[in-house]
Amino acid sequence: AQSVTQPDIHITVSEGASLELRCNYSYGATPYLFWYVQSPGQGLQLLLKYFSGDTLVQGIKGFEAEFKRSQSSFNLRKPSVHWSDAAEYFCAVDLTGANNLFFGTGTRLTVIP
Amino acid sequence: DADVTQTPRNRITKTGKRIMLECSQTKGHDRMYWYRQDPGLGLRLIYYSFDVKDINKGEISDGYSVSRQAQAKFSLSLESAIPNQTALYFCATNAGSGTEAFFGQGTRLTVV
Repeated sequence: AQSVTQPDIHITVSEGASLELRCNYSYGATPYLFWYVQSPGQGLQLLLKYFSGDTLVQGIKGFEAEFKRSQSSFNLRKPSVHWSDAAEYFCAVDLTGANNLFFGTGTRLTVIP
Repeated sequence: DADVTQTPRNRITKTGKRIMLECSQTKGHDRMYWYRQDPGLGLRLIYYSFDVKDINKGEISDGYSVSRQAQAKFSLSLESAIPNQTALYFCATNAGSGTEAFFGQGTRLTVV
């Protein structure tokens, strides 16, 4: 079945530490890939997206993500986490010609001082 | 003003009542969506519309209906609310496949 998997439900990191959030997808072709962030009480905001080309993409707020075709992964990274990064992060895929963004179940990030 | 505005932001309603959630957008996009968010389940698509005359069911449309009153307005109705429809509902819009989706701030609905 086609799916988007975020294996980590909740991650806790210390402020200043590095971060990696995992995302795997299972589709026949490479879809459009997105990471969205949801701050408490807010809607979702796009962090970055990948369509083609360079497999390392830069986003807002110092985030980056790397697409690895061989692993069907699109992991989100940040070298140094800030307290304001505490939020829920969603990986999403958009199949060419499809009518929907398919979301993962989300990873909640807690940042401790 | 926000790109996507949802009203109300919070609502408590009783089982069996009809309720409408409203969404308007200022992005000028043709495509609009209604999602439902439940803890541990991510966002799931309820309905989507590619233009005023095009309405389509998503993966969890049972118990819901929609109306696309104009390019900018897309309403979601629960004809007879039930407790398992308690959730956070999001409206979104985008310009097409592969483009950024813009989300409203959500409507937290509680059915008691």
